[in-house]
Amino acid sequence: KNEVEQSPQNLTAQEGEFITINCSYSVGISALHWLQQHPGGGIVSLFMLSSGKKKHGRLIATINIQEKHSSLHITASHPRDSAVYICAVGHISNFGNEKLTFGTGTRLTIIP
Amino acid sequence: NAGVTQTPKFQVLKTGQSMTLQCAQDMNHNSMYWYRQDPGMGLRLIYYSASEGTTDKGEVPNGYNVSRLNKREFSLRLESAAPSQTSVYFCASTVREDLQGSNQPQHFGDGTRLSIL
Repeated sequence: KNEVEQSPQNLTAQEGEFITINCSYSVGISALHWLQQHPGGGIVSLFMLSSGKKKHGRLIATINIQEKHSSLHITASHPRDSAVYICAVGHISNFGNEKLTFGTGTRLTIIP
Repeated sequence: NAGVTQTPKFQVLKTGQSMTLQCAQDMNHNSMYWYRQDPGMGLRLIYYSASEGTTDKGEVPNGYNVSRLNKREFSLRLESAAPSQTSVYFCASTVREDLQGSNQPQHFGDGTRLSIL
């Protein structure tokens, strides 16, 4: 079973700061996912990556396959970025679909 | 476009009661999943369905059954609810483009908050 470790568990920062959330996993994966869960509970997929780097607006996700490590960065953070950020790693089932193992999440609070 | 719809949003049960959580997606996805989310723990996979007609156990299947009614709908049943099944339940779906194709990110429903007394 793949273990997924996220750090930090909680992060509070001032508006405008550069944010980094880290994710490490223990065995090989099909892909790594970053998800966002807002206080209302809804979960949204932010990134799915298997190598390199992806960028969407102020969010950047990177992965180092050799080191089994990924980071999620937020530039120019804003209070609306306050949420729980969840890392998940994928494995392909016998049926060919991807099954996810999730980290426990990082609770991010951005103070105006 | 509704995406993934879960019903009900909230439910309170007594120990031993049964109920079915409903999930439907309108994105023509072939793979569907049921997760539970508990405080201090990551989401955990209960059951999944890779395609219509197939289901398989995930990490925490005990006490649950599922039915993939058709391509759109995937239900989760608690036959005899226990307090340990108090949780928030999420349904998700995604598409696998073909047998050798890549998987895509999962789309999640808004969750069902279930309390068992």
